Amino acid sequence: KAGVTQTPRYLIKTRGQQVTLSCSPISGHRSVSWYQQTPGQGLQFLFEYFSETQRNKGNFPGRFSGRQFSNSRSEMNVSTLELGDSALYLCASSSSGGNTEAFFGQGTRLTVV
Amino acid sequence: QQQVKQSPQSLIVQKGGISIINCAYENTAFDYFPWYQQFPGKGPALLIAIRPDVSEKKEGRFTISFNKSAKQFSLHIMDSQPGDSATYFCAANGYSTLTFGKGTMLLVSP
Repeated sequence: KAGVTQTPRYLIKTRGQQVTLSCSPISGHRSVSWYQQTPGQGLQFLFEYFSETQRNKGNFPGRFSGRQFSNSRSEMNVSTLELGDSALYLCASSSSGGNTEAFFGQGTRLTVV
Repeated sequence: QQQVKQSPQSLIVQKGGISIINCAYENTAFDYFPWYQQFPGKGPALLIAIRPDVSEKKEGRFTISFNKSAKQFSLHIMDSQPGDSATYFCAANGYSTLTFGKGTMLLVSP
């Protein structure tokens, strides 16, 4: 069974630009969550999607958004990039969210210059 | 507000020794407590997890001990090996959201 696939693996963007990251969950998993990982703040929850609906949202500005498609694939978008958005963005998939096992992808390393 | 506190920040253990990492939480609504292992350049990998109705869970060399009344849980790595050197994160699930501890960098010396 294929794991969670995130693309691209690395991105370099300029301040003010926008970026879209993609996540393909494990086959059969309907819940996709996004996390931001930085050395200072650690792993922080961005949002969770289940069956194309956002169920939960973390404490991030509205520049961070996401969506989920009918095949459970998910994308997250960050608009008007700031230097502080440089981070590893991780996607996790689980069968139904909640207290079920969540499996992470390798992440997308975003660098904003 | 940090809802999951993890300690220590770093840990050095001799090969064959026991590594112990501790976490404490505040929110009694948390219903699932996984541990993740992360190597540099990789995403976190699920190691072992426990639910609050169980006090201990063992999988191979890894054991979670859970104390519901104290709102604490810990990871024990028995017979630690150099290949275990990684960053370990505890987490707690509430309403489909994982809240992570800050992580523990474990170094197992040969």
